[in-house]
Amino acid sequence: SQQGEEDPQALSIQEGENATMNCSYKTSINNLQWYRQNSGRGLVHLILIRSNEREKHSGRLRVTLDTSKKSSSLLITASRAADTASYFCATDASSSGYALNFGKGTSLLVTP
Amino acid sequence: SQTIHQWPATLVQPVGSPLSLECTVEGTSNPNLYWYRQAAGRGLQLLFYSVGIGQISSEVPQNLSASRPQDRQFILSSKKLLLSDSGFYLCASSPHRDTEAFFGQGTRLTVV
Repeated sequence: SQQGEEDPQALSIQEGENATMNCSYKTSINNLQWYRQNSGRGLVHLILIRSNEREKHSGRLRVTLDTSKKSSSLLITASRAADTASYFCATDASSSGYALNFGKGTSLLVTP
Repeated sequence: SQTIHQWPATLVQPVGSPLSLECTVEGTSNPNLYWYRQAAGRGLQLLFYSVGIGQISSEVPQNLSASRPQDRQFILSSKKLLLSDSGFYLCASSPHRDTEAFFGQGTRLTVV
């Protein structure tokens, strides 16, 4: 089942601008993860934030988590054309071997 | 880190033909293994997961089956493909809960 829902579905920005994507989920979680998918390829893990964490950084990525609102955001700063991809949030589900439940993703286009 | 080998990359099969997609994992032992399907422009739907050899759980009723004959081998099969089986199939592995998942590069299946 899909628990995470990303917003917006699509985002178009210019190089150098920041990109913010949001994710909402429905049930309690152990952690929330963000993945990136280039067109026609597999997913690549970006960052994991645990339920007891509020913010995490990795390079140009900043992730926040608000468990009271059941939401997370991914911020990509100083975007580059190479950041063009789809971004998915995923939450774990203890009932499915801790498989990740993915949202439908945000399609990000960064133009030079 | 883990490496997920998934093949073939693309496959065109006629309706009613059998299917066998293979996934092998390097760099870990006794991982949790997963098969996901992604429809165009959609999120990932969990099809099967396995927590050990011979242990398969199905998330949705369908025309597909999965097997895990060896610790690091996961196979997705069908006896007779349907048009609705078309999609992008992704194999994933995670060493244990609360960790990132590693994905293969996917198989684009078109049933004609």
